[in-house]
Amino acid sequence: ETGVTQSPTHLIKTRGQQVTLRCSSQSGHNTVSWYQQALGQGPQFIFQYYREEENGRGNFPPRFSGLQFPNYSSELNVNALELDDSALYLCASSSLQGANGTQYFGPGTRLLVL
Amino acid sequence: AQSVTQLDSQVPVFEEAPVELRCNYSSSVSVYLFWYVQYPNQGLQLLLKYLSGSTLVKSINGFEAEFNKSQTSFHLRKPSVHISDTAEYFCAVKKAKAAGNKLTFGGGTRVLVKP
Repeated sequence: ETGVTQSPTHLIKTRGQQVTLRCSSQSGHNTVSWYQQALGQGPQFIFQYYREEENGRGNFPPRFSGLQFPNYSSELNVNALELDDSALYLCASSSLQGANGTQYFGPGTRLLVL
Repeated sequence: AQSVTQLDSQVPVFEEAPVELRCNYSSSVSVYLFWYVQYPNQGLQLLLKYLSGSTLVKSINGFEAEFNKSQTSFHLRKPSVHISDTAEYFCAVKKAKAAGNKLTFGGGTRVLVKP
């Protein structure tokens, strides 16, 4: 089994720019979730994708959007970047079957907004 | 809605001493419970989980956690820590039998193992 991979590992952007982060799911997993982890805090759920549709969203504004592709890989897009968007962005994959909630996380993309 | 409270933000401990990380949760529905570990500059790794059955769950590297429904707690313990256990530990909950996989995390407990 291959694990969850994310790219890029680090990214620096300026306020107002747009960013796209990428995630490849673990083999056999059809559900992808994205989390934002600010410095010194626990991860916060952004949204989840299943079969290319968003099927759950946390308390994040619409400028946070995503895509899931037929091969179950995913993108997180953030428009109009703000300084508070600086964080570690984590992708997690799981199999929705059984719905026991076990998610496997990637190493994350660290985003710095200046 | 669910919430998770990790009562200790930092726990310093000497090598080979025991450690306990406290986790309490709040939920109006049944939940599944998880502990994740995050080593410096890395993502989260699943340490152990409680879904149903025996309330005491164990990991392969010596950690164990006990689900206490009456106290809404899921404390993590290890009888003897190693330097390599230095990391941040996150407790998380998920609605049981829910279609989605949203995890709600606590704020984390940073464990520093000293020689």
